Amino acid sequence: QKEVEQDPGPLSVPEGAIVSLNCTYSNSAFQYFMWYRQYSRKGPELLMYTYSSGNKEDGRFTAQVDKSSKYISLFIRDSQPSDSATYLCAMSAGGETSGSRLTFGEGTQLTVNP
Amino acid sequence: GAVVSQHPSWVICKSGTSVKIECRSLDFQATTMFWYRQFPKQSLMLMATSNEGSKATYEQGVEKDKFLINHASLTLSTLTVTSAHPEDSSFYICSASRIRGLSNGYTFGSGTRLTVV
Repeated sequence: QKEVEQDPGPLSVPEGAIVSLNCTYSNSAFQYFMWYRQYSRKGPELLMYTYSSGNKEDGRFTAQVDKSSKYISLFIRDSQPSDSATYLCAMSAGGETSGSRLTFGEGTQLTVNP
Repeated sequence: GAVVSQHPSWVICKSGTSVKIECRSLDFQATTMFWYRQFPKQSLMLMATSNEGSKATYEQGVEKDKFLINHASLTLSTLTVTSAHPEDSSFYICSASRIRGLSNGYTFGSGTRLTVV
């Protein structure tokens, strides 16, 4: 069983739609949760970072973490064609002793159609 | 912001030759650098973690003698794929952290697409 599960999609939505991306995980030690955006043939760039449970909003993006359900989400409001990319969730137990290794989901390929 | 430069962005080499990939932190000192491998439509798989001045820690299943990692300075880490074979063809990505243990402090390079023919 993978530590982090993410539906690879592909997901195709019309411009302006609300997009919901999700990941589940099995390791209860994870405390730090991140969403990365990766354009084709590029390195990932950090979109959102959340520590423990709760919500975090940044512009059109909202990240939610539910540690009790081991479930995290990323919502994109008013989606734009420029949001078309692969979205990767990543998690870490954090702390210097663990080395803060990031464990990534498989990534969801999103296409926003104009 | 933190910038990580990775070179080359793509490389084609013959089977049996070695290829070196460089990862540089341009405007910060990276205490830790990570090397990942990514196959098409798959996630990033951590290959190894390197701390400046010490030997790299490899993930299970990654051959140390095949994937040589050097982190000789706080701004440069290199990955050398030795005796490359077609199955080594992949997208290799580095990331650098300014502060050890800071999960959200990673900056990724733009990746290197290696094709072994």
